[in-house]
Amino acid sequence: NAGVMQNPRHLVRRRGQEARLRCSPMKGHSHVYWYRQLPEEGLKFMVYLQKENIIDESGMPKERFSAEFPKEGPSILRIQQVVRGDSAAYFCASSPTHSGTDTQYFGPGTRLTVL
Amino acid sequence: QQPVQSPQAVILREGEDAVINCSSSKALYSVHWYRQKHGEAPVFLMILLKGGEQKGHDKISASFNEKKQQSSLYLTASQLSYSGTYFCGTENTGNQFYFGTGTSLTVIP
Repeated sequence: NAGVMQNPRHLVRRRGQEARLRCSPMKGHSHVYWYRQLPEEGLKFMVYLQKENIIDESGMPKERFSAEFPKEGPSILRIQQVVRGDSAAYFCASSPTHSGTDTQYFGPGTRLTVL
Repeated sequence: QQPVQSPQAVILREGEDAVINCSSSKALYSVHWYRQKHGEAPVFLMILLKGGEQKGHDKISASFNEKKQQSSLYLTASQLSYSGTYFCGTENTGNQFYFGTGTSLTVIP
């Protein structure tokens, strides 16, 4: 039973380019969460999605960032016109339901470096 | 929204005990605890749901005081493998989930 998968594991972009981060949740999980972790800092919630719906994007910057979780395929976190401050580890997590009883299982993360 | 953890950092010798606290300003539905090793993804430790609930496995346990909106993680007889950053994750009654500020734990021989 495969866990949460993220790719790429490492991504290098120049300022102004676009970054696309992918997350495939665990089988049977329809809830996906994206978090950003700056070096030596904690995990900051960005967005929570269910299939085809954004449920809570209160942690996502209003500009340049977008997320989707289509009916088929992985969830995508897209960062347009990246800046150096976007350099961070981006983790996604999935759970079968959005309930306080369910664990969020984390993927290995994508480490984005903006040159 | 983000729960506050204390202490921010702690250094222990093998065999010593530690307590990590997590406090929220919002009414909580559940508290989750995770440990993250440097450069790795967070790993789930346990969930607590009800006020006063306590859970534990091996030498790591936790309590959840719903009325005080607080949870504590107890590590007894610490081992070198316990080193890492511990995060609480809280789900409030508005169905929002946030990670705490983190506590760095270092166990030395």
